[in-house]
Amino acid sequence: EAGVTQFPSHSVIEKGQTVTLRCDPISGHDNLYWYRRVMGKEIKFLLHFVKESKQDESGMPNNRFLAERTGGTYSTLKVQPAELEDSGVYFCASTPRQGDSPLHFGNGTRLTVT
Amino acid sequence: LAKTTQPISMDSYEGQEVNITCSHNNIATNDYITWYQQFPSQGPRFIIQGYKTKVKNEVASLFIPADRKSSTLSLPRVSLSDTAVYYCLVGVRGNYNTDKLIFGTGTRLQVFP
Repeated sequence: EAGVTQFPSHSVIEKGQTVTLRCDPISGHDNLYWYRRVMGKEIKFLLHFVKESKQDESGMPNNRFLAERTGGTYSTLKVQPAELEDSGVYFCASTPRQGDSPLHFGNGTRLTVT
Repeated sequence: LAKTTQPISMDSYEGQEVNITCSHNNIATNDYITWYQQFPSQGPRFIIQGYKTKVKNEVASLFIPADRKSSTLSLPRVSLSDTAVYYCLVGVRGNYNTDKLIFGTGTRLQVFP
């Protein structure tokens, strides 16, 4: 079984530019999550999709972040315009059932905003 | 979700048993205890989950006393490849909020040769 894959693994952009991160969950996993760790801080929840619907986006920091999951398969997380404080590692995770199975995490995308 | 407290770091040598204890004084009746492991440049990886007493799998054992206010992750005969950060989390199984994981600082385990 292929794991959760994230692309790119690293991204370096300038402040004000746009970046789109992609996550491919494990096939058949309806639940998809985005988390992030900014420099020196703990891993924090961003949002949760069930299929193509956003179930909880309470962790999204502001309206510069836009997450989509068209068709309920892969998801994208767009940051526009990027700010310096957006630098960090963005993790995606998936699980087949809510609250009843462990989350499977990807290896993350390391975003650096200069 | 109950708050957890773990040691910031631990050191060990290859071949030793490592026990990492996590405090969760405010654990609720329906909360389960879950441990994740994270290697550098990777995402967290599920290790083990339990509710009470003892759980064991091919990777680790989890000991939970009767009052459930703490839990101990036991790694038998660690190797250099066990160097990682270990996170203890508690949450209600079957409740989607369980997936809204609160990671905390974790315990950074360093294994020396």
